[in-house]
Amino acid sequence: DTGVSQNPRHKITKRGQNVTFRCDPISEHNRLYWYRQTLGQGPEFLTYFQNEAQLEKSRLLSDRFSAERPKGSFSTLEIQRTEQGDSAMYLCASSLGGAGFYEQYFGPGTRLTVT
Amino acid sequence: KQEVTQIPAALSVPEGENLVLNCSFTDSAIYNLQWFRQDPGKGLTSLLLIQSSQREQTSGRLNASLDKSSGRSTLYIAASQPGDSATYLCAASNDYKLSFGAGTTVTVRA
Repeated sequence: DTGVSQNPRHKITKRGQNVTFRCDPISEHNRLYWYRQTLGQGPEFLTYFQNEAQLEKSRLLSDRFSAERPKGSFSTLEIQRTEQGDSAMYLCASSLGGAGFYEQYFGPGTRLTVT
Repeated sequence: KQEVTQIPAALSVPEGENLVLNCSFTDSAIYNLQWFRQDPGKGLTSLLLIQSSQREQTSGRLNASLDKSSGRSTLYIAASQPGDSATYLCAASNDYKLSFGAGTTVTVRA
């Protein structure tokens, strides 16, 4: 297993454009998480999937953000009408599921720059 | 809401010195605490995970302790090397999601 992968690794876009990121989790993991990290800060939780069901969305995830995990495998995070404040590293993680907490494994991230 | 704090924000030591990194959290009802390493512009690499029922975990030169009652965890790195230069993040979990500190950026001088 190659671990969690994310594409693209870097994205530069102009304000107002839409962007989409992809995350491929570790194959046997049924939980998938998205976090956002701004410069000098720790990652902040955005949303979480158990299989294909999106079970929680942070208040940080405005209505311009949407995440999907259509077949319980890969996930996409779309940002519509990007703003300069959306510039950040977007991190995806996956874990096994069930009751309680399981260790999360992170991907390399997608760095978004909005100009 | 869980709040995680890491002090100091930055640390510079000569090679060979032992490192002590501190992490504090406000809600002691955690499932576990994880320590991560992050190199500039990169993702997170998990170093150690301490279950809430454990007091410490060790991996090679790394040792992490957990004191839930005081809301503190400490990461010790023995005999530091220039390759240990990175940002170290701690994260507490109260449920399925992690709450991170802002990290301590470590520089080990050769």
